[in-house]
Amino acid sequence: QQQVKQSPQSLIVQKGGISIINCAYENTAFDYFPWYQQFPGKGPALLIAIRPDVSEKKEGRFTISFNKSAKQFSLHIMDSQPGDSATYFCAASMRRVQGGKLIFGQGTELSVKP
Amino acid sequence: DAGVIQSPRHEVTEMGQEVTLRCKPISGHDYLFWYRQTMMRGLELLIYFNNNVPIDDSGMPEDRFSAKMPNASFSTLKIQPSEPRDSAVYFCASSQDRGAAGNTIYFGEGSWLTVV
Repeated sequence: QQQVKQSPQSLIVQKGGISIINCAYENTAFDYFPWYQQFPGKGPALLIAIRPDVSEKKEGRFTISFNKSAKQFSLHIMDSQPGDSATYFCAASMRRVQGGKLIFGQGTELSVKP
Repeated sequence: DAGVIQSPRHEVTEMGQEVTLRCKPISGHDYLFWYRQTMMRGLELLIYFNNNVPIDDSGMPEDRFSAKMPNASFSTLKIQPSEPRDSAVYFCASSQDRGAAGNTIYFGEGSWLTVV
């Protein structure tokens, strides 16, 4: 119930294309869903986050789509660029419980080809 | 702000040796987390503290692992004795409780541990 399942494990996209990464969760008590971006040799950094009272959140080229009934959410990267090549992690937490500790998906290694 | 500071960045040690990883959280943050990252298991939460008090250590793999937070600006993760399967990147992270707004957890750059 504490798991967050992420797919695909790896993704290759051409420059200018759309990258889509999907996540699913079981625990309906989760109420905060961030995405983290990790470059090689660095720690994960918050990219964008959504709460379940909205179905979509957009920040620049990055959009989270959220389907509460299906318990799924996804990250869309529009106009993907080589600089977006990184590992992306979805995560889930309960904001008012346990300090908002994050449960992470397994990660998706994105490679954007020029 | 300097961010979360971890040391050492890289450590290579022999099996059986004691390893101590150190972390300085962001000033003013009241939560501190230790995560471990491996290819096989991804990012796993080992333990976290609130106001220097350990809240949940259920992710600590076994008794060889221990963590302390003697004050608000310092934490250690100790492995004694170390084993090759402990080889991983260990991340320290911190956050400030923002309640309903959702906590942003800030990660350090990690300590890369290799046990040979």
